[in-house]
Amino acid sequence: GAGVSQTPSNKVTEKGKYVELRCDPISGHTALYWYRQSLGQGPEFLIYFQGTGAADDSGLPNDRFFAVRPEGSVSTLKIQRTERGDSAVYLCASSLNRVQGEQYFGPGTRLTVT
Amino acid sequence: AQSVTQLGSHVSVSEGALVLLRCNYSSSVPPYLFWYVQYPNQGLQLLLKYTTGATLVKGINGFEAEFKKSETSFHLTKPSAHMSDAAEYFCAVALKAAGNKLTFGGGTRVLVKP
Repeated sequence: GAGVSQTPSNKVTEKGKYVELRCDPISGHTALYWYRQSLGQGPEFLIYFQGTGAADDSGLPNDRFFAVRPEGSVSTLKIQRTERGDSAVYLCASSLNRVQGEQYFGPGTRLTVT
Repeated sequence: AQSVTQLGSHVSVSEGALVLLRCNYSSSVPPYLFWYVQYPNQGLQLLLKYTTGATLVKGINGFEAEFKKSETSFHLTKPSAHMSDAAEYFCAVALKAAGNKLTFGGGTRVLVKP
């Protein structure tokens, strides 16, 4: 079956611009997670959703970052006033529910802020 | 809060030799433990996981890991390396009570020499 998909695969933007990154989870998965992976590091948690609500957004670095999941399926990570330090690979994962531990990852969106 | 330490950011092994990747964790309660593999320009793929029960866990591609509570370790092994094992490997922990968000180690890049 279809896995987690993320679009775009690559995004280059100028400093100060607004970007949106999209995640399509596996059908039927109620939990959705966003992570950020900087070069040479392990992924870091940003936010996770159970259904439509953000259950934990403690990993969002500041108020320029926010994410939505209005219908409990597709999620969008939004970054305002991008900075060069935001350059990273943004990973999305989904799981059947927040209790079942296995998360399935998408291929990521590589964001480059120039 | 939990944390993960992977000893050795780079490991070089000969084809056919033992692969040993070390992972130690810190957690206030027994966590779930995971190993993920990341091939170049691809998303994370689950190799194996420990939740409860048998402490020796077998995963895909001939990998296994043993949970040692007394040592707070979850080292990954494979008896005989193959060229296709060249990739980056991440150890991660999650707490059921925290929605199973993953905390990753810094990763270990494996190079396999012919």
